[in-house]
Amino acid sequence: GENVEQHPSTLSVQEGDSAVIKCTYSDSASNYFPWYKQELGKRPQLIIDIRSNVGEKKDQRIAVTLNKTAKHFSLHITETQPEDSAVYFCAANRAAGNKLTFGGGTRVLVKP
Amino acid sequence: GAVVSQHPSRVICKSGTSVKIECRSLDFQATTMFWYRQFPKQSLMLMATSNEGSKATYEQGVEKDKFLINHASLTLSTLTVTSAHPEDSSFYICSARGSAETQYFGPGTRLLVL
Repeated sequence: GENVEQHPSTLSVQEGDSAVIKCTYSDSASNYFPWYKQELGKRPQLIIDIRSNVGEKKDQRIAVTLNKTAKHFSLHITETQPEDSAVYFCAANRAAGNKLTFGGGTRVLVKP
Repeated sequence: GAVVSQHPSRVICKSGTSVKIECRSLDFQATTMFWYRQFPKQSLMLMATSNEGSKATYEQGVEKDKFLINHASLTLSTLTVTSAHPEDSSFYICSARGSAETQYFGPGTRLLVL
């Protein structure tokens, strides 16, 4: 089955700096890769997603890149703000189906 | 749009009792709903997938007789934890998807079994 690895597990950055989270996946048939942000005790919120026919996608301060050949994708947050502090999860769908396999999560702390 | 509600938000029960959790898609028809379990500081683990009008499919290691799932309509799925025990204490989150791939999550239910 699909296996998704996420690194780092924790990330501390200074406000205004960039944060990068990386994920690798195992199933070459995966074609949908969402990223979720989860604040403490709250629901995961979709922040950006990318499909396999696209190499990069950007939405304001957030961007995601996908390398299908290497089977890895990354989340980039620029000009980080304290409200970006949360746990971020990457995910990949299984065998191009409708189930998602999640990475282990990255706890991001933005220091003012 | 794409709002998913979950009820109750938290529940405390005695060991041996059953607990029902409801998941509703409020503004779209959910062809598929998913149930996840999340332990503190850990990732989301898929328990089962339910499609409206058909039996749920369970992930390996998840007891279907322990975690009963019903998806009677396109806007409602329920998870019943039967004969709950302290080890069932966890954060249970549902998600729903319509025709697109995006899954929208409910706010979660924190279950504590005493």
